[in-house]
Amino acid sequence: DTGVSQDPRHKITKRGQNVTFRCDPISEHNRLYWYRQTLGQGPEFLTYFQNEAQLEKSRLLSDRFSAERPKGSFSTLEIQRTEQGDSAMYLCASSFRDRGVETQYFGPGTRLLVL
Amino acid sequence: AQSVSQHNHHVILSEAASLELGCNYSYGGTVNLFWYVQYPGQHLQLLLKYFSGDPLVKGIKGFEAEFIKSKFSFNLRKPSVQWSDTAEYFCAVNTGTASKLTFGTGTRLQVTL
Repeated sequence: DTGVSQDPRHKITKRGQNVTFRCDPISEHNRLYWYRQTLGQGPEFLTYFQNEAQLEKSRLLSDRFSAERPKGSFSTLEIQRTEQGDSAMYLCASSFRDRGVETQYFGPGTRLLVL
Repeated sequence: AQSVSQHNHHVILSEAASLELGCNYSYGGTVNLFWYVQYPGQHLQLLLKYFSGDPLVKGIKGFEAEFIKSKFSFNLRKPSVQWSDTAEYFCAVNTGTASKLTFGTGTRLQVTL
């Protein structure tokens, strides 16, 4: 399967612990996005990369959140000192921008539950 | 900042009924418009997209959507739904300069036999 993959698919943690999620984009896609989705809502943008450069971060991305894409391939999203409000589905998407247009393809997501 | 409204939160239809899901966005400039679908237990999948040109776009599985610029709308339609269309449908928009997608809250479609 050559789609976007995410690991783990599910994560249960205790409040205050750190968690890290990984996203592997579609090969040759130069853009990678992170979104968060809570129950009854659509996905909300967190941040995105073009190659290894982080080009935009949402106000939703507090100081406890950090994302990296060190070699322009896979990306990690780390949440430090998790809070119950961080419980959500974390979605990754990748795309290739060509002549000003792009389509984002989503992975299966990582569902985080903070107890 | 742009925003997206999906007025129907939960729609229940019988098989073979026609479907129209509303989507309105707020942004005065050039937009790209998308409909994504999430089937139970699966990830978000692209149904169709509009970048430019013919405002009536056709997607997979018999879905189509019409971009009406004057109404800031991009409604999704299907003439005859199937039980397998049961899913959650999300409208999304980005602009010519901002790549991030802004999503609506989604519409849950339930198709009964």
